[in-house]
Amino acid sequence: QSVLTQPPSASGTPGQRVTISCSGSSSNIGSNTVNWYQQLPGTAPKLLIYSNNQRPSGVPDRFSGSKSGTSASLAISGLQSEDEADYYCAAWDDSLNGPWFGGGTKLTVL
Amino acid sequence: EVQLVESGGGLVQPGRSLRLSCAASGFTFDDYAMHWVRQAPGKGLEWVSGISWNSGSIGYADSVKGRFTISRDNAKNSLYLQMNSLRAEDTALYYCAKDVRYYYGSGSYNYWGQGTLVTVSS
Repeated sequence: QSVLTQPPSASGTPGQRVTISCSGSSSNIGSNTVNWYQQLPGTAPKLLIYSNNQRPSGVPDRFSGSKSGTSASLAISGLQSEDEADYYCAAWDDSLNGPWFGGGTKLTVL
Repeated sequence: EVQLVESGGGLVQPGRSLRLSCAASGFTFDDYAMHWVRQAPGKGLEWVSGISWNSGSIGYADSVKGRFTISRDNAKNSLYLQMNSLRAEDTALYYCAKDVRYYYGSGSYNYWGQGTLVTVSS
C-alpha cells in the first residue's frame, strides 16, 4: 500500500479534459514537491511534471500539474489516443526518508 | 543523447545474490544523483535506492535495507546494485534512473533505462 493514493483508473474521450488526483499527507505532498510520470505500455516511465507544475522540455502543454495542501492533480486537456498510459505521482516523504510513488492510475481513452 | 543501459539481471534462487550494473552516457555522470526503481510484474513503481553525486548520501527502501547495496564509480560512469539474500518478492524489472539534481531527495528522475529483469525463484 502506497503512502500516496491515486484512483486506479480514469477515462475520457478524445478532446476531453481529464484530471488524476494524488492524495498524501503532511510528511510528503504537504512539505515536498510533486512529480508525475507517464508510462506507456511496455516502456520505461517518463517524467511528465516536476516541482508540482513544471514541464520538462518536449512535454506538450496539454499536461499540467497543481498542488494544494496535501493533494496534487495532473490535468490532461485535449485528450489524445496516445495519452493512454499509466500515470504515477511521486513525492519525497520526510518520515520515511525516501521518495514514494503513488499506486498508479490507468488512463483509458474511449 | 542520454543513455542508461542496465545489465546483470536474470533468474536466481532465493537466498542467492545478484549484481546489477547501469552504464551511463551522454551527460556528466558525476553531476547527478542516481537511483534504482523497480516494478514487479503488473504492479506499480517502487523506489529501491538512491545515491548522491559523490556517494556521500545513500538511501534505501525499508523493503531492501540491509540486503541491497548501491554504489557508483564516477570514473566509469557506472551505477551498481548489489542484491543479497534475494526473495521471491524482489522479482521485478529494475530500472536505473537519473535524478535532476545532485542530491537524491528530489523525486524527479528525468531519464530512465529500459530495465533489467530479476526473477527470484527456485
